[in-house]
This record gives sequence, structure tokens and C-alpha cells, in this order.
Amino acid sequence: DVKVTQSSRYLVKRTGEKVFLECVQDMDHENMFWYRQDPGLGLRLIYFSYDVKMKEKGDIPEGYSVSREKKERFSLILESASTNQTSMYLCASRPGTGFQETQYFGPGTRLLVL
Amino acid sequence: SQQGEEDPQALSIQEGENATMNCSYKTSINNLQWYRQNSGRGLVHLILIRSNEREKHSGRLRVTLDTSKKSSSLLITASRAADTASYFCATELLYNFNKFYFGSGTKLNVKP
Repeated sequence: DVKVTQSSRYLVKRTGEKVFLECVQDMDHENMFWYRQDPGLGLRLIYFSYDVKMKEKGDIPEGYSVSREKKERFSLILESASTNQTSMYLCASRPGTGFQETQYFGPGTRLLVL
Repeated sequence: SQQGEEDPQALSIQEGENATMNCSYKTSINNLQWYRQNSGRGLVHLILIRSNEREKHSGRLRVTLDTSKKSSSLLITASRAADTASYFCATELLYNFNKFYFGSGTKLNVKP
């Protein structure tokens, strides 16, 4: 079974702090994603990566950056956390380059910025 | 925006009844996927249907896709209390690999 793990289930940070969210997948997938989920808005794509050191912006990249130094690990960085970044963050991975492939999600990190 | 819209937003049924959820989207797609999310957890993939397919089945799940109407439906037959969850559709834009758009979900409550 594909396993996608996220470093924390719950996280509380202060405004202005630098925040790192880590995601690891164990199935050698090429593609990895970061989404945020807010009530009434569904999931929104922040960034995705299709290879090591490669990244592409999603719909809401402002205030975020990402890092993919190894194939299995994709990090989301909040350079200076703000209260409007309080949200549920979901990481996903996806194999290959085929449009018939699905995404596999981690359990999510619920971030509260005070 | 391309965002899919699920309908209804919430659905409450008795165990054993069928549940139907609908999803509409705006622009051409490669595929449409349905996911389930139990409260506060990650998403679990249910079914992927390609743009050239019209219907797919998986166990008690049946998904249809009508690209002329830009809509899809998810039918869960003989529902169980364990089916209680939120259900999301996600579309991958045509020629835009990895660009997924999710709807805001249908919250299904199956009463025992």
C-alpha cells in the first residue's frame, strides 16, 4: 500500500514564525502536491513537484515556498506565518506521467497560527 | 474558475438507501476523480473516470460522466453507516498534468 506521511497532525505557531511542514512518501512517486483545505472552499493547490528540485505553482502559492531535495520528501515552508494561513494542509503523491493515475493523500496537518 | 461544484452540500439518508451526489465543472478535463474524507482525516481515492469514459463501477459505487453537460454523479448503493463522510470530486484540466481542482464537497450522513 502507498503510504504518505506528514510530520505533524497538529501544529500551533505564532505570527511571524517560519513553519516547515514535511511530507514523505514511500512508493517512489514522481509527483507530489501540497493543498490547503478550508471550510466551504474545498482543497486548493498550493504547489506541486514533478521531479526532484522541480516545482510548479498552484492556485495559491503566495506566502508559501516548497523544497524537494529528495524524491520521497516534499516540504512546505511558510516563510512568515500569518493568521490567514490557519488551515488544514494536505500532502499527496502521484505516480508517473499518466493521466489515469490517481493521487494518494497523507492524513493532514492542522495548523493554527496565533 | 474551474472548481467543481458538488450538489447537494449535505445529504442525510437511512442505512440501506442509495445516495447520489453530483459534480459540475466548467472547462475540458483529462479525468474526474471522486474522493472520500472521513472527519478530520486525509482523502481516500474512490474512482477515476477518464474523459472518454461514460460510466465506471467499483463495488457499491457507480460513477457517470457526461462531458457534454460537464457533470458527473456518484451513486452509492445500499449505504452503510460507515459511508458517513464528505465526498469530493476533483478534475484534472485537459493538457494540464497535475493541475487538480476540487469542489467543496458533499457531506453524507447515513443513519443506522
